[in-house]
Amino acid sequence: AQKITQTQPGMFVQEKEAVTLDCTYDTSDQSYGLFWYKQPSSGEMIFLIYQGSYDEQNATEGRYSLNFQKARKSANLVISASQLGDSAMYFCAMREGSRGSARQLTFGSGTQLTVLP
Amino acid sequence: DGGITQSPKYLFRKEGQNVTLSCEQNLNHDAMYWYRQDPGQGLRLIYYSQIVNDFQKGDIAEGYSVSREKKESFPLTVTSAQKNPTAFYLCASSSGPILFATEAFFGQGTRLTVV
Repeated sequence: AQKITQTQPGMFVQEKEAVTLDCTYDTSDQSYGLFWYKQPSSGEMIFLIYQGSYDEQNATEGRYSLNFQKARKSANLVISASQLGDSAMYFCAMREGSRGSARQLTFGSGTQLTVLP
Repeated sequence: DGGITQSPKYLFRKEGQNVTLSCEQNLNHDAMYWYRQDPGQGLRLIYYSQIVNDFQKGDIAEGYSVSREKKESFPLTVTSAQKNPTAFYLCASSSGPILFATEAFFGQGTRLTVV
């Protein structure tokens, strides 16, 4: 079963508008963390935002915010005031942390965001 | 400037050859990771290392080998046993186990093509 699901292979948004990228996750752990990364065409992965499972407030970092709905197991990324430079692939990732020695990030399949001028 | 350096950026390999991808970090990070990315897909973990001289297999370790003789370096060897090695390879590091780190730093990747 997929641990991280991103159902939008591609999204388009008009410059200066807001866009929401969907992410749902599956875990039985009580302690976990959710991450969003941006991957431009150059290939590097750029960390955007983090939400811990026990954080009561939604995480925000500048124009990025994470809409965390724990009961629905969703962690959608909201980008406000889109810019042309936001065009990239976006990955949702999760680390589970309550057992075992494995400490890794599990990634979704990504959403290709294109910002239109 | 601190960061992670992967080299080379592009690599071509003939079938049946082993090839080694370099990953060096000067962030004083304990943990290092190798991921593979195929077109249109997310990252899958190959190997990871929490401390020097210790490493564990990830989800897709078959056909790969690693070493961690120095804290700064975590080279990945793609062996001839890896049946489909053409992919984009990313190295990452974090200050501790990712469990306790709010971000992992990534290199710029190596694109390996088998010819």
